[in-house]
Amino acid sequence: NAGVTQTPKFRVLKTGQSMTLLCAQDMNHEYMYWYRQDPGMGLRLIHYSVGEGTTAKGEVPDGYNVSRLKKQNFLLGLESAAPSQTSVYFCASRDRGYEQYFGPGTRLTVT
Amino acid sequence: KNEVEQSPQNLTAQEGEFITINCSYSVGISALHWLQQHPGGGIVSLFMLSSGKKKHGRLIATINIQEKHSSLHITASHPRDSAVYICAVALSGSARQLTFGSGTQLTVLP
Repeated sequence: NAGVTQTPKFRVLKTGQSMTLLCAQDMNHEYMYWYRQDPGMGLRLIHYSVGEGTTAKGEVPDGYNVSRLKKQNFLLGLESAAPSQTSVYFCASRDRGYEQYFGPGTRLTVT
Repeated sequence: KNEVEQSPQNLTAQEGEFITINCSYSVGISALHWLQQHPGGGIVSLFMLSSGKKKHGRLIATINIQEKHSSLHITASHPRDSAVYICAVALSGSARQLTFGSGTQLTVLP
């Protein structure tokens, strides 16, 4: 039982490049979330999903897209990366209770 | 004004000291979480509470719903407790998104 995993762990992009971050959970959770964490700020919600085939915008969705084609996977896409998207990205999932389980994070640098 | 405020932002303690981290919030919530983030970056859930008090080992979390305030206490602190402690509130609603405080960096010196 791996919990929540994220791929890749680290990535460096040039401005304008695109990439997809993968989040996978093996706990059969309905709810999944993508957050970004920046120095001096709390984690901020980018997008979330309340079930397979659904997605919704969070607090800071601009510049990101998401998809939840399979219940266990939640993908976060950057179509044209910008330096302002340099951050650490965390995925989390939740069952019907309140507790969220976090992935190990992806450190992204955009130059 | 942030919806979730933590204090202090930084805290240095000597091993064995009793530590308190505070969290105040300004919105209606379903539950409040205390999370721990170690230098390696991983985030783990310590407590989730909607009323009263919870204890796990040397950690105690309390919440006062009327005052919109929660505290995390660490008794007999140890250097391995050094981490960032994050308060987060779960908003009402089906998705129960979390809104996070900016964290408290705790350093416990031997």
